[in-house]
Formats: sequence, structure tokens, C-alpha cells
Amino acid sequence: EAEVAQSPRYKITEKSQAVAFWCDPISGHATLYWYRQILGQGPELLVQFQDESVVDDSQLPKDRFSAERLKGVDSTLKIQPAELGDSAMYLCASSRADYTEAFFGQGTRLTVV
Amino acid sequence: KQEVTQIPAALSVPEGENLVLNCSFTDSAIYNLQWFRQDPGKGLTSLLLIQSSQREQTSGRLNASLDKSSGRSTLYIAASQPGDSATYLCAVGTNDMRFGAGTRLTVKP
Repeated sequence: EAEVAQSPRYKITEKSQAVAFWCDPISGHATLYWYRQILGQGPELLVQFQDESVVDDSQLPKDRFSAERLKGVDSTLKIQPAELGDSAMYLCASSRADYTEAFFGQGTRLTVV
Repeated sequence: KQEVTQIPAALSVPEGENLVLNCSFTDSAIYNLQWFRQDPGKGLTSLLLIQSSQREQTSGRLNASLDKSSGRSTLYIAASQPGDSATYLCAVGTNDMRFGAGTRLTVKP
């Protein structure tokens, strides 16, 4: 069964260091989302791609976060420099198109120390 | 801005009970609503997707309904089992996909 792949599963980094997360969506899925989920809360959208184009990055802290999906397939989310408050689960999801069923990866648990 | 609320925040029931989880949203101009399950430390698993033109969807012991005009959706779980214990999240699809904070369900044997 096709699934969204994310790596790494866990990441511990020191504050002020750079960190990157990778996501490979289900094949053929044009829409890709990155979410951040703080423990006990619902996921919050960071960035949404349609193919290689950013559709919504209004909640992305652009002074330290960046995201790309160069060939419209896999995607990378980067944080530089990491801050203590960035500790959270980072979730990637994909869907065939807007407004269709979204599927999530297992997430990357980031701890900033 | 779309606001999504889930009530209750936590629920504990004995095995075998039927239960209802609630999701409300402030902007009725939605394209769809999706229910997810999340186990501790894991990603989200899609349970049901309801398009805005639909009233309900069923999958096994799960039934989700949508009343777009009143801004509400419910997830009905029949004959609950300990394996149903998880956090249940609803996500409302507009220009993006916005989540509620979830309902943490515990089913006691």
C-alpha cells in the first residue's frame, strides 16, 4: 500500500543549529502539506504546495523556516537556526489534488535542546 | 479565518458503548471534512472523508455525518473496543486544511 514517507523519525538538535526534514509523498499526489503539531494540540499548517508551487505559506516563520519542492515530487523543510520553541512533531501529508483525501506520514519528532 | 472546535477534549467509556465525537467549524463554505485517528507519537490515519455535497459516510463501525449549514460534524463509533483508544481529529477543507485540537478517547476493557 502506498504511503507518505518521512525521515528522520526522530531528531535531537541543539538550539541555533540547522535541521532538515524530508518527505516523499504518495506517487501522483500533486498537493503536499507540511504541518507542525505541538503536544496536545491539533496540527497547524506551515506550507502547502501544488506541484512545485507554494499555495499557502502564510503561517511559515520565514525568518528561520524554508520549504521547497523543486521537481514537484519530494519536499524538504528546513529550520535555521532552531529554537527551543520549535520542539514539536513535523507532519507531511499529500493528496491527489485539492479537496481530496489527504494521507499523512509518520512524522518527525524534533527536540531542540 | 476558519476555527475548528472539538468537544469533548477527552472521553473515557467502557468497552461496548456507542459514542459520538463532535466537531464544529465557523465557516460553512467548506469543500470537505475529514476524520483522522492518531495514536501516541504517530502520524494521522485517515478514517473518513465527507465531501461538502454529502451528508454522511460509513466505514465499518464508524459513521460520520456532516451538517454544513450548521457547521457541525459528528463521528459515531459503534460497539467501542479498547483498540479504538486514540486521539480523533477532524480537519475542515477550505483553501487549506484546518484541524481541531482533537478528542482523546479511552475505551476501558
